[in-house]
Amino acid sequence: EVQLLESGGGLVQPWGSLRLSCTASGFSFSTNAMSWVRQAPGKGLEWVSAISGSGGSTYYADSVKGRFTISRDNFKNTLFLQMNSVSVEDTAVYYCAKDGSYWDFDYWGQGTLVTVSS
Amino acid sequence: EIVLTQSPGTLSLSPGEGATLSCRASQSVSSSYLAWYQQKLGQPPRLLIYGASSRATGIPDRFSGSGSGTDFSLNISRVEPADFAVYYCQHYGTSPPYTFGQGTKLEIK
Repeated sequence: EVQLLESGGGLVQPWGSLRLSCTASGFSFSTNAMSWVRQAPGKGLEWVSAISGSGGSTYYADSVKGRFTISRDNFKNTLFLQMNSVSVEDTAVYYCAKDGSYWDFDYWGQGTLVTVSS
Repeated sequence: EIVLTQSPGTLSLSPGEGATLSCRASQSVSSSYLAWYQQKLGQPPRLLIYGASSRATGIPDRFSGSGSGTDFSLNISRVEPADFAVYYCQHYGTSPPYTFGQGTKLEIK
């Protein structure tokens, strides 16, 4: 059974930093691209960042480029999102998602809430 | 950048009725790259349809997807109480790689 478990969310002040983690199990982690998708309170879904299975290729939404860094540890089956210089607009539930075989997201974690507030 | 526009914003139906949800792309896209998700309150999204018309594992056959070019649809025949949720379409492209529509809320009439 595929499982994705996010952690690391919480309250952070504007301009602060936070590191999210997503521990994966039940599939071959190193051969699958992974993404972070966020959802602001009461809003829709926004793709944030993606990383290839090897970690050699990374992609970012314009809204986070230069501030967020995606990475992975294939030995520990863990995905990361380093969030720097956060703003109130980054307040959201952050989901870890497994990229499917058809350019979709076939499995999702339960999400971790990031609140940016002074 | 491709923009996905979903309509209607809210769809009010009674259980047993049929539902048609629309997703329109700002330019022609490959149907291979079009997916639909269902999200219930407090839960993560769930993949329903990939490649515009293929049902994901475990999805009942009352859910079907269709379309090509710029116009895609998600159809739910005989809506059940468990189907009332928000539905999103999603496209895989180049820059950005992934785009979501703004969602359609299916609510009980």
